[in-house]
Amino acid sequence: GAVVSQHPSRVICKSGTSVKIECRSLDFQATTMFWYRQFPKQSLMLMATSNEGSKATYEQGVEKDKFLINHASLTLSTLTVTSAHPEDSSFYICSARTTAGELFFGEGSRLTVL
Amino acid sequence: KQEVTQIPAALSVPEGENLVLNCSFTDSAIYNLQWFRQDPGKGLTSLLLIQSSQREQTSGRLNASLDKSSGRSTLYIAASQPGDSATYLCAVRRTGNQFYFGTGTSLTVIP
Repeated sequence: GAVVSQHPSRVICKSGTSVKIECRSLDFQATTMFWYRQFPKQSLMLMATSNEGSKATYEQGVEKDKFLINHASLTLSTLTVTSAHPEDSSFYICSARTTAGELFFGEGSRLTVL
Repeated sequence: KQEVTQIPAALSVPEGENLVLNCSFTDSAIYNLQWFRQDPGKGLTSLLLIQSSQREQTSGRLNASLDKSSGRSTLYIAASQPGDSATYLCAVRRTGNQFYFGTGTSLTVIP
């Protein structure tokens, strides 16, 4: 299957700093990528849909100024958590959709804000 | 709005047993359905993708079926192994980029 790489896998930061997470489709081009947040023992919560070359579409209740998404190329989308606070600590996962409509996921990024 | 339900939420079986995981969805107007497994602290691994025009897909010991009219999909795992222990999620895609995930079934295969 297709490969999606997510980096970093773990990040610890101080409150008030910004953290960038990268999501790359390694062997296919993805015009659309998705960013999710997952709380312990819960399913994925879609945060936003990242569209190459245009603005991301955010789900209701997700602050666009807090979670900045950039999809500058067909293989890379980034999520920046700005001015992170302890309540932003979570597991963030990206996925990319192939032209056949299949979703492939990154390995996830565990963010801990102290 | 599409609602996706997975039953049971947790399942524990002895090694070697065949098992079935269930996924139900409320709106039959789907584009495709995909089954994933998630290991603790990891991302999701795609297992099987069934297009709306298909009835089933097979990969090794896994077989997924789709019945759109009744809003159901099943994932059949043959001869379960301890390495199959994980959380299994189904996701339904409507047109465009709308994906809806179930809450998952946590599977434990006991050696």
